[in-house]
Amino acid sequence: QVQLVESGGGLVRPGGSLRLSCAASGFAFSDYYMGWIRQAPGKGLEWVSYIDGTGRIIYYTDSLKGRFTISRDNAKNSLYLQMNSLRAEDTAVYSCARAPRGFGDYWGQGTLVTVSS
Amino acid sequence: DIQMTQSPSTLSASVRDRVTITCRASQSISSWLAWYQQKPGKAPKLLIYDASSLESGVPSRFSGSGSGTEFTLTISSLQPDDFATYYCQQYNTYPYTFGQGTKLEIK
Repeated sequence: QVQLVESGGGLVRPGGSLRLSCAASGFAFSDYYMGWIRQAPGKGLEWVSYIDGTGRIIYYTDSLKGRFTISRDNAKNSLYLQMNSLRAEDTAVYSCARAPRGFGDYWGQGTLVTVSS
Repeated sequence: DIQMTQSPSTLSASVRDRVTITCRASQSISSWLAWYQQKPGKAPKLLIYDASSLESGVPSRFSGSGSGTEFTLTISSLQPDDFATYYCQQYNTYPYTFGQGTKLEIK
């Protein structure tokens, strides 16, 4: 069965960095677009970034360009999100999703990122 | 960016009621729309994609319709498990965007 498990969240000071990971299993990882979506506490959903199966096609939400970097390692069935220059407003649960055509058909449970001094 | 607006923001209903949630896009998205259900502390669950295609394993009481800029999610007979928050999402153009959510509450 499809499983997505995120890790790497935690408490970080403003201006700091974190690298999130998403371990995928139960499907042919390299065949699928993947994405990161975040949800601030008590708020709605926001699509952060999106990557194709080869890693060559990448999209970011405009407000995050230059600070966040999505990548993948198909040999390790893993998706990553490098987050730099973190701000308080980046505090959220970050989830990875399998996104075959732009919608998430399977989601992980998410990892909480808290940006606070 | 394409703005997605859901209405209502909150909906109170009873078991066995028929309910409809509306999602409007700020520009045409053809049929590239998905609906999700989310319960507190849980990941969103895909219900509908391509505006009207039911995801495998989702009960048939859920249905979606619409194209262009106006879409609806209908639950034909509410069950206790359906009380949750529902989101629409367009995937016509990146950045993909979600509606703000509709919280379905027990009356």
